[in-house]
Amino acid sequence: GENVEQHPSTLSVQEGDSAVIKCTYSDSASNYFPWYKQELGKGPQLIIDIRSNVGEKKDQRIAVTLNKTAKHFSLHITETQPEDSAVYFCAASRDSDSWGKLQFGAGTQVVVTP
Amino acid sequence: KAGVTQTPRYLIKTRGQQVTLSCSPISGHRSVSWYQQTPGQGLQFLFEYFSETQRNKGNFPGRFSGRQFSNSRSEMNVSTLELGDSALYLCASSLVLAGVTDTQYFGPGTRLTVL
Repeated sequence: GENVEQHPSTLSVQEGDSAVIKCTYSDSASNYFPWYKQELGKGPQLIIDIRSNVGEKKDQRIAVTLNKTAKHFSLHITETQPEDSAVYFCAASRDSDSWGKLQFGAGTQVVVTP
Repeated sequence: KAGVTQTPRYLIKTRGQQVTLSCSPISGHRSVSWYQQTPGQGLQFLFEYFSETQRNKGNFPGRFSGRQFSNSRSEMNVSTLELGDSALYLCASSLVLAGVTDTQYFGPGTRLTVL
């Protein structure tokens, strides 16, 4: 089955700096890659997602890149703010015979210090 | 549009008991997935329901079961609770377009503590 590895497990950045989180996946049939942000006491919130027919997607300060050949994808947060502090999860799934199943990475605790 | 709602938000049970958790998806969403989140194992897929049918199942024992109703609301049940079942149980809903499951939106979760 699919296996998703996520690095680093913790990331401390100064406010205004950039943060990068990387994930690799094992199943070459995976074609959907969402990123979720989870704050304490809340459920995961989708922040951006990308499908395998796209190499890069950007939404304001957040961007995701996908390298299908290397089977890895990354989350980039620019101009970080204290409210970006949270746990971030990458995930992967495929449409065929894997309905509704997201395989998650282990998560990255991001701490943005003022 | 209201988000995914889960009830109850917190539960305390003792070993051997059973528990039922409820999830109401976003209006119009017909797919509901359930996940277990623990510090040690992270987020793990339990099962997914669409049109009252379980389409996919994760690697959990038969003590974990679920169902979906005609209005797409879903419940999951855990029987004979064990200490290791203590976790945050999350449900997520999504549209299904042309057979493809769209983005999953998560509820706040139910925190289950087994004593």
